[in-house]
Amino acid sequence: QSALTQPDSVSGSPGQSITISCTGTSSDVGGYNYVSWYQHHPGKAPKLMIYDVTKRPSGVSNRFSGSKSGNTASLTISGLQAEDEADYYCSSYTSSSALVFGGGTKVTVL
Amino acid sequence: QVQLQESGPGLVKPSQTLSLNCTVSGGSISSGGYYWSWIRQHPGKGLEWIGYIYYSGGTYYNPSLKSRVSVSIDTSKNQISLKLGSVTSADTAVYYCAREDSGGYGVFDYWGQGTLVTVSS
Repeated sequence: QSALTQPDSVSGSPGQSITISCTGTSSDVGGYNYVSWYQHHPGKAPKLMIYDVTKRPSGVSNRFSGSKSGNTASLTISGLQAEDEADYYCSSYTSSSALVFGGGTKVTVL
Repeated sequence: QVQLQESGPGLVKPSQTLSLNCTVSGGSISSGGYYWSWIRQHPGKGLEWIGYIYYSGGTYYNPSLKSRVSVSIDTSKNQISLKLGSVTSADTAVYYCAREDSGGYGVFDYWGQGTLVTVSS
């Protein structure tokens, strides 16, 4: 199973909105509504931000939202803040009953 | 608040077996409702799912690692363990344990901070 494809980096100014893409195939992202997104500050434990494509866990800011179209899922961060600077990873359930992650995207707040 | 803490040798020689433990606090791993998983991150790269175990002992592994991986559970210690055999430098990574909601797919709500394992002679 190949890793999901994410851009290496995305940047934006405070207050702006940015979108991170996560591209897979019909055997993973496109075939199931089981895409999750994780925020990772290096040296800390990753944090679940979005699950089942669009759902937000309790306690996660509503500035974070998820969507999917075809084989590509997206994470949008609105009202970008300095604390949002981190690495973001997507994951998807696959047709082989396994999980596959993306390569990660570094978000920089300018 | 559930907390997970990985532990084990930081250096393993090639061809040997990597062994790690994950101790869970703030909740019982035998209460059901969750898979207890291992995930790794190669240096400078993305995450790779290794596999999980349920409190009953049922397991499921990444097909690409299945021949070398074993995950076990010790409910008396509230601990899960990972063994990865015949390691090479390609197994050098930060290893995380995480709790996955068994009602979903890929919903890891709690993670450990990870432990770096280097494979080198």
